[in-house]
Amino acid sequence: KQEVTQIPAALSVPEGENLVLNCSFTDSAIYNLQWFRQDPGKGLTSLLLIQSSQREQTSGRLNASLDKSSGRSTLYIAASQPGDSATYLCAVRDDKIIFGKGTRLHILP
Amino acid sequence: EAQVTQNPRYLITVTGKKLTVTCSQNMNHEYMSWYRQDPGLGLRQIYYSMNVEVTDKGDVPEGYKVSRKEKRNFPLILESPSPNQTSLYFCASSSSGAGELFFGEGSRLTVL
Repeated sequence: KQEVTQIPAALSVPEGENLVLNCSFTDSAIYNLQWFRQDPGKGLTSLLLIQSSQREQTSGRLNASLDKSSGRSTLYIAASQPGDSATYLCAVRDDKIIFGKGTRLHILP
Repeated sequence: EAQVTQNPRYLITVTGKKLTVTCSQNMNHEYMSWYRQDPGLGLRQIYYSMNVEVTDKGDVPEGYKVSRKEKRNFPLILESPSPNQTSLYFCASSSSGAGELFFGEGSRLTVL
């Protein structure tokens, strides 16, 4: 059974720093992996989608990588801003969609 | 505007009173799904649908029903709600089984 783990559960960094969020999964037979952002009490906003055949995707200050063989994905955020404070979730998709429990990110002004 | 719309956004009900949470998408997506989000447990898939008249159980289907009679709608039905179904519910859709997933704003349900 697929399991998705996100470490750390919470992270605080000063504004302006670059940071990396981690996502690991146990079964490499996935269709894709998607990163989301969730603000408190809100829905999920899609950040990046990486198909199983891809190694990385970029959008603005965000870069996501995927290494299927090792069961890992990273979300790199460059030049962090207070507005980046949110919970970041990764989800892997095979026949079902399994979410990690998220990393709660706090950017310190 | 492309969106997934859920209603109601907030609902307080009592044990045993049947309720339906509606979900509608305007992107002509084939795939739709429901999730519940609980503190400490994260997001868990309840049911999903690959297309009209095709539905499958997710990880936590007990106590829920769904139907997919039209492509745009995927209602979640709680026939006899219980307090352990108090949760934040999300509907999502994608163009296929491997497409980008888009979420609704969520429906907060409280069962007394």
